Amino acid sequence: EVQLVESGGGLVQPGGSLRLSCAASGFTFSNYWMHWVRQAPGKGLVWVSRINGGGSSTTYADSVKGRFTISRDNARNTLYLQMNSLRAEDTAVYYCAADPDYRGYSYVDYWGQGTLVSVSS
Amino acid sequence: DIQMTQSPSSLSASVGDRVTITCRASQSIRNYLNWYHQKPGKAPKLLIYAASTLQSGVPSRFSGSGSGTDFTLTISSLQPEDIATYYCQQSYSTPYTFGQGTKLQIK
Repeated sequence: EVQLVESGGGLVQPGGSLRLSCAASGFTFSNYWMHWVRQAPGKGLVWVSRINGGGSSTTYADSVKGRFTISRDNARNTLYLQMNSLRAEDTAVYYCAADPDYRGYSYVDYWGQGTLVSVSS
Repeated sequence: DIQMTQSPSSLSASVGDRVTITCRASQSIRNYLNWYHQKPGKAPKLLIYAASTLQSGVPSRFSGSGSGTDFTLTISSLQPEDIATYYCQQSYSTPYTFGQGTKLQIK
């Protein structure tokens, strides 16, 4: 059974940092691109970042570029999101998502349950 | 960035109805278009990728069509379990933008 389990969310003050983790199991982790997608309370889905299977290629949304860093440890089947200089507008549920990049098509076929990040003083 | 616009924003239909949701891209995305739905409190679920390819395990009442800038998701016969918010997403170029969502309710 495929599982993506996020952890590391919580309440943090503006300007603070958090590191999210996503533990993957049930599929060949290193064969998948991985993404972070977030959803502010009551709002729609917003793509945040992606990383290729080997960890050598990363891309970010402009809203987080320079503040967030995506990385992965394929030996531990774990995806990370280091979030620095957090702002109130970063408050959201953060989903870890797995993308097979099948025949060049990017789509998410496995999603985690999400972890809530709240940025407030 | 490529903007994705869905219509309608909300939709009320009866069980058994044929339901259509449209998604328009601000520039051509060829067929790099995905459809998801999301039930309250749950993670999204993939329905269709590459504009018209049904994800394994998704009921055949769901179908997708379109290419270029205009796309359609159709539910041929609405079932109670289809109540959700539906999102399109382009995967032609990063950032992989989503539409704003279409909330589907039962009449």
